[in-house]
Amino acid sequence: EVQLVESGGGFVQPGGSLRLSCAASGFTFNSYWMSWVRQAPGKGLEWVANIKEDGSEIHYVDSVKGRFTISRDNAKNSVYLQMNSLRAEDTAVYYCARDVSWTDYWGRGTLVTVSS
Amino acid sequence: DIQMTQSPSTLSASVGDRVTITCRASQSISRWLAWYQQKPGKAPKLLIYKASTLESGVPSRFSGSGSGTEFTLTISSLQPDDFATYYCQQYNSYPRTFGQGTKVEIK
Repeated sequence: EVQLVESGGGFVQPGGSLRLSCAASGFTFNSYWMSWVRQAPGKGLEWVANIKEDGSEIHYVDSVKGRFTISRDNAKNSVYLQMNSLRAEDTAVYYCARDVSWTDYWGRGTLVTVSS
Repeated sequence: DIQMTQSPSTLSASVGDRVTITCRASQSISRWLAWYQQKPGKAPKLLIYKASTLESGVPSRFSGSGSGTEFTLTISSLQPDDFATYYCQQYNSYPRTFGQGTKVEIK
């Protein structure tokens, strides 16, 4: 059974940093792209970033470029999202997802709240 | 960026109704479109990919069609479990973009 479990969310002040983690199991992790997708409270879904199987190719939405960094550790079956210079508009539930061009499996999400 | 526009934003329907949701892309995306269902407090669930391919385990009352810039998601006979919000997503190009969502409510 495919499982994706996010952690690392929490409350942070504007300008602060957080690192999200996603532990994957139930599939051959190093054979799949992985993505992060977020959802602000009461709003729709926004794709944030994805990373190729070996980490050699990465894409970001413009609003996070230069502030967020996606990475992965295939030895630990994990994908990460380092979030710096956080803004109020980054407040959202962040979902880790398996990327097969579309997204076929999602984690339950972790809430990030950016507020003073 | 490719803009995805869903209509309607909210849809009120009864159990047994046939429901159709439309998703329009701001430029051609061939058939690189997926549909997701999301219930409150839960992660989205994949329903359809490549515009019309039903994900394994998804009931056959769900169907998708379209290509280019116009796509539809149809629920042939709405069931109580189907009241949720539905999103389309294009994966033709980066950044991947979602429609704003269509909430299917009980009439």
